[in-house]
Amino acid sequence: GENVEQHPSTLSVQEGDSAVIKCTYSDSASNYFPWYKQELGKRPQLIIDIRSNVGEKKDQRIAVTLNKTAKHFSLHITETQPEDSAVYFCAASWQAGTALIFGKGTTLSVSS
Amino acid sequence: SAVISQKPSRDICQRGTSLTIQCQVDSQVTMMFWYRQQPGQSLTLIATANQGSEATYESGFVIDKFPISRPNLTFSTLTVSNMSPEDSSIYLCSVLGDRGSTGELFFGEGSRLTVL
Repeated sequence: GENVEQHPSTLSVQEGDSAVIKCTYSDSASNYFPWYKQELGKRPQLIIDIRSNVGEKKDQRIAVTLNKTAKHFSLHITETQPEDSAVYFCAASWQAGTALIFGKGTTLSVSS
Repeated sequence: SAVISQKPSRDICQRGTSLTIQCQVDSQVTMMFWYRQQPGQSLTLIATANQGSEATYESGFVIDKFPISRPNLTFSTLTVSNMSPEDSSIYLCSVLGDRGSTGELFFGEGSRLTVL
């Protein structure tokens, strides 16, 4: 089955800096790659996703890149703010509409 | 989007007992997914519950320990049987929004179980 590795497990940045979180996946058939943000005590929520026919996707300060050949994808957050502090999970599935397999998560801390 | 209600939101249970978690969705959905999130850990898929068929369990999870019901398209239950302290976790129900067309998973608020 699919296995998703996520790095780093913790990331501390200064407000205004950029943050990058990387994930690799094992199943070459996977073609849907979302990122979820989970604030303390809350449920995970989708922040951005990408499909295998796209190499990059942006939404304001957040971007995701995908390299299908290398089987890795990354989350980029620019101009970080304290409210970006949370746990971020990458995930993969073999198609949109099926269960997601999650990475272990990255705890992002943005200090002001 | 999808609105998901889970009950109970939290509970403290004694070793050896069983607890059933309920998940109610505000729209009809084909697939419902149950995840477990142990303290400070990631989300691990327990099983996929389709209405009208038996749930499909992931490696490491068995029906005797985590029986699931799916009586209709808006409701599911997960039972955690014969609990031990290792079962202390948050259990999350999730569904796909927009009839699965976008792939986005929506989660309930979770049921936090503490087993003593």
